[in-house]
Amino acid sequence: GQQVMQIPQYQHVQEGEDFTTYCNSSTTLSNIQWYKQRPGGHPVFLIQLVKSGEVKKQKRLTFQFGEAKKNSSLHITATQTTDVGTYFCAGRGTSGYSTLTFGKGTMLLVSP
Amino acid sequence: ETGVTQSPTHLIKTRGQQVTLRCSSQSGHNTVSWYQQALGQGPQFIFQYYREEENGRGNFPPRFSGLQFPNYSSELNVNALELDDSALYLCASSSRDGSEAFFGQGTRLTVV
Repeated sequence: GQQVMQIPQYQHVQEGEDFTTYCNSSTTLSNIQWYKQRPGGHPVFLIQLVKSGEVKKQKRLTFQFGEAKKNSSLHITATQTTDVGTYFCAGRGTSGYSTLTFGKGTMLLVSP
Repeated sequence: ETGVTQSPTHLIKTRGQQVTLRCSSQSGHNTVSWYQQALGQGPQFIFQYYREEENGRGNFPPRFSGLQFPNYSSELNVNALELDDSALYLCASSSRDGSEAFFGQGTRLTVV
């Protein structure tokens, strides 16, 4: 079955430093979504990428979808303490009504 | 607020018991998915319902079952509870194309 892997599992940065999390799928994806989960909370949708090589930006967040549609990354520029949480990628397969497969997430801790 | 509500928020059950968790989907969404999230892990797909029929299932045993009602709300039933069933159970509603999933706040199930 489809597997989605994320690295790193955990990252601790100082406020103002950059942060990147990487996501790799064992199979080609139709699209990939990113979610953020604050401690004690539930996943909140950030963005969806659909096209090969797509790059999208949301303020300090930059999302990329690989050319082969099997990998993705999320980059945060100049982290803030409000960025604390776990970032998940979730890939959707290409067959029929494929469902979302989540990675294990990258937990980000930002120290002031 | 996503408009997706789950009940109860917390629950403690004894091994061997049965449990029913409930989810009301966001207005206009006809697809509901259920996920199990163990501590420190990503959400694991259990199954998905579209217009009252199951149309996707993850790697969970038959003692995990569900229903979707005409108003698109949903239930997750788990029979013969095991200690490893302790987790956060998340419900997510989406439109048919699944472009964005809206998660409820989850039900924290503890099996003792």
